[in-house]
Amino acid sequence: EVQLLESGGGLVQPGGSLRLSCAASGFTFSNYAMSWVRQAPGKGLEWVSTISGSGVSTFYADSVKGRFTISRDNSENTLFLQMNSLTAEDTAVYYCAKDRGSSSWYPSDYWGQGTLVTVSS
Amino acid sequence: EIVLTQSPGTLSLSPGERVTLSCRASQSVSSNYLAWYQQTPGQAPRLLIYGASSRATGIPDRFSGGGSGRDFTLSISRLEPEDFAVYYCQQYGTSPKTFGQGTRVEIK
Repeated sequence: EVQLLESGGGLVQPGGSLRLSCAASGFTFSNYAMSWVRQAPGKGLEWVSTISGSGVSTFYADSVKGRFTISRDNSENTLFLQMNSLTAEDTAVYYCAKDRGSSSWYPSDYWGQGTLVTVSS
Repeated sequence: EIVLTQSPGTLSLSPGERVTLSCRASQSVSSNYLAWYQQTPGQAPRLLIYGASSRATGIPDRFSGGGSGRDFTLSISRLEPEDFAVYYCQQYGTSPKTFGQGTRVEIK
């Protein structure tokens, strides 16, 4: 059974940093690209970033480019999202998602339950 | 960036009815890499359709996807109580992998 468990969310001040983690199990982690998708309170889904199975290729939404960094540790089956220079507009539930293939051009077929990031003073 | 526009914003329907949701892209979607997701309150999204028309694992056959190029649809043949939810389309063929704004299907 595929399981994705996010952690690391919480309250952070504007301009601060946070690192999200996603522990994956139930599949061969290195064979699949992984994504982060966020959802602001009461709003729709926003794709944030995708990393290929090997970790070589990464892609970002314009809204986070230069501030967020996606990475993965295939030996530990863990996905990360390093978030810097946070603003109130980054307040959202952040979902970790497994993509259907190893490259970056697949939809997300399994999702975690999300971790809430609140940026506020 | 490919902008996806979903219509209508909200639909009020009764169980047993048929519904068709629309997703229009601002430019052609590469290789018809278009997915549909369902989200119920407090839950993570669930993948329903990928490649415009292929059902994901475990998705009932009352869900069907169609379309190509810029225009795509999601149809539900007979609404079940658990189908009342918000539906999102996403294109994943071009970065950024954008979502539509969602269509809410509510009980009439």
